[in-house]
Amino acid sequence: EAGVTQFPSHSVIEKGQTVTLRCDPISGHDNLYWYRRVMGKEIKFLLHFVKESKQDESGMPNNRFLAERTGGTYSTLKVQPAELEDSGVYFCASSQTASWGDQAKNIQYFGAGTRLSVL
Amino acid sequence: AQSVTQLGSHVSVSEGALVLLRCNYSSSVPPYLFWYVQYPNQGLQLLLKYTTGATLVKGINGFEAEFKKSETSFHLTKPSAHMSDAAEYFCAVSLTYGGATNKLIFGTGTLLAVQP
Repeated sequence: EAGVTQFPSHSVIEKGQTVTLRCDPISGHDNLYWYRRVMGKEIKFLLHFVKESKQDESGMPNNRFLAERTGGTYSTLKVQPAELEDSGVYFCASSQTASWGDQAKNIQYFGAGTRLSVL
Repeated sequence: AQSVTQLGSHVSVSEGALVLLRCNYSSSVPPYLFWYVQYPNQGLQLLLKYTTGATLVKGINGFEAEFKKSETSFHLTKPSAHMSDAAEYFCAVSLTYGGATNKLIFGTGTLLAVQP
C-alpha cells in the first residue's frame, strides 16, 4: 500500500513567486492535514480537510496560503506571493475516520515533506 | 490550550546506553499522546501512541513510553541505544472528539545522537 506522497521534495523560489505543493494521501483516508515546520521550531498545524471540506483552517498563517482538495483525493497548498518567512518544511498527513472504540484508526500517517526555500 | 514541552533539543548517548527522551504535556481534557520519529530524509513515522487503557505503551524498535497523568508526562525510553536510533524524535498530543482524529500539537523535537 502506498503511503502519503508529497511533491516536490524540494522547491527553491524567489520572494514574490508562486509555489504549489501537492499531497496524495493514503487511498481511502478521508482526513488530510497540512503542517509546517519553520527551521528550529515545532511542527505546526495549518489545516484539516475531511474529504473535500475544510474542517479546521485555524493554523493558516495568512491569505497568501490557499489549500484545496477537489474531489476529496489529493490536495494542493499554494503560496502566492511567497515571502522569506514561508521557508520551511511542509508536511502532509492523512488518517482514516475513526469511530469510538476503533482507536487503531486514530493515527496520522505523514509524508516525507516538501522543503521550501524562499530566497 | 494544549501544549507539549520536550526537554533537551539535543541528546547524546553511547551505543548500548539507556535512551530517555522527556515529554510533558498540558491538556484540559484527556489527551491522546504520540511519539513520532524522523530519520534523515524521511517522513515522520509513528513510534507509539497512548489512547486509553494500559499506561505503559510499547512501540517499534524496542521503544516504550509511560503515560503518567499525575506528572503530565509521556517520556520515551529504550533500554539499549543502537546506532540506527539516531534521528529526531517528536512528542505530540491530540484531542479526539467523537472518534474523529483532531490536529496534532507537537513539541519542538529532540535530536538523538548515538556515539559508538
